[in-house]
Amino acid sequence: DQQVKQNSPSLSVQEGRISILNCDYTNSMFDYFLWYKKYPAEGPTFLISISSIKDKNEDGRFTVFLNKSAKHLSLHIVPSQPGDSAVYFCAASPALYNFNKFYFGSGTKLNVKP
Amino acid sequence: DTGVSQDPRHKITKRGQNVTFRCDPISEHNRLYWYRQTLGQGPEFLTYFQNEAQLEKSRLLSDRFSAERPKGSFSTLEIQRTEQGDSAMYLCASSPVGLGANVLTFGAGSRLTVL
Repeated sequence: DQQVKQNSPSLSVQEGRISILNCDYTNSMFDYFLWYKKYPAEGPTFLISISSIKDKNEDGRFTVFLNKSAKHLSLHIVPSQPGDSAVYFCAASPALYNFNKFYFGSGTKLNVKP
Repeated sequence: DTGVSQDPRHKITKRGQNVTFRCDPISEHNRLYWYRQTLGQGPEFLTYFQNEAQLEKSRLLSDRFSAERPKGSFSTLEIQRTEQGDSAMYLCASSPVGLGANVLTFGAGSRLTVL
């Protein structure tokens, strides 16, 4: 039962352009969302988060948008850089837990071409 | 602090053997998590400790799996009588309680290959 879905396994963009990574979820109890970035042979590293009380959170080149009614979130990277090439995971946590039982999507592999 | 450390990074074993993985979390983090990641999938929650207490276990954690955190510091994950389906990356993560609790810091993982 995949409660968090990333339907695009891969994405290729040109350096300097915008990268948009999408994530859909099914559980209306999810109230906290994160994006992680993973390079080969390394563990996932935290990138940006958003709680359900917001619809947008920005950190430098990275912006996450949350549409609760559509159960959809997206990560925008502007401008994209070759160093952004990695696998990006969307994760969500339900409100009923007081710990981080995150549900992860299957990831989107981003390739930023120089 | 060097972050979350996991050992070994890669383990190859034959079906039926026992394996043990170790995780050293960030020293001031009370919470420790084990996740499993199979090829083409995202990490899946296995279990969670707060200090030495194991407070939650996933249904994915069959009785062949056992995790401990005896002194509230490092943790071990043991898999007995390994099966080929156990082949995966086992990720450990930690977080503090309170400020920063909602972000997991992951280790690089321990990759298990069962032949």
